[in-house]
Amino acid sequence: DTAVSQTPKYLVTQMGNDKSIKCEQNLGHDTMYWYKQDSKKFLKIMFSYNNKELIINETVPNRFSPKSPDKAHLNLHINSLELGDSAVYFCASSQSGLLNTEAFFGQGTRLTVV
Amino acid sequence: KQEVTQIPAALSVPEGENLVLNCSFTDSAIYNLQWFRQDPGKGLTSLLLIQSSQREQTSGRLNASLDKSSGRSTLYIAASQPGDSATYLCAVRGYNNNDMRFGAGTRLTVKP
Repeated sequence: DTAVSQTPKYLVTQMGNDKSIKCEQNLGHDTMYWYKQDSKKFLKIMFSYNNKELIINETVPNRFSPKSPDKAHLNLHINSLELGDSAVYFCASSQSGLLNTEAFFGQGTRLTVV
Repeated sequence: KQEVTQIPAALSVPEGENLVLNCSFTDSAIYNLQWFRQDPGKGLTSLLLIQSSQREQTSGRLNASLDKSSGRSTLYIAASQPGDSATYLCAVRGYNNNDMRFGAGTRLTVKP
């Protein structure tokens, strides 16, 4: 079973469209994240949720709206897509409160805006 | 805000060499530090996690050390193999342990 799964794996869309990326984890973790990996491969945190509550919003444009219906899911909705949104988006999860908690990552969603 | 730096940005070695990758961080108040591997076009695979109270962790040919007071961690790879070629990333989790920050990675190439 995949621990953290993202859909879709690839997404090609035109500028101005609205799209969503879904993420689910089956590890029972209480914390989920969205990261953006740009063309230089740098992984930058976008959002962090703990028990469905937004903890970190890292100066991301408000065109990006995360939604966490329950602690196993964290979806990312993007409005009015721009060329600069093209990147690979990674979802991750971990368990808070434990020193030895590892973070697990999904396989990524490659978003291309044309 | 925590800043994480990895040196070198790229490294090319012949097969069989031992090598060290470096990670430094600006805020020593960390919860833990995790080393990942990323193959081209793939997701991240966890290699080792060091808790803030630990000095090192070992897994097979990999050994990671942590010096929290100086804000440094190293990943030692023994007897490197071509299959080790990948980008290696370190991630630091602060005491707000929802905040996990990455370095830019070291791209390793091991030549046969």
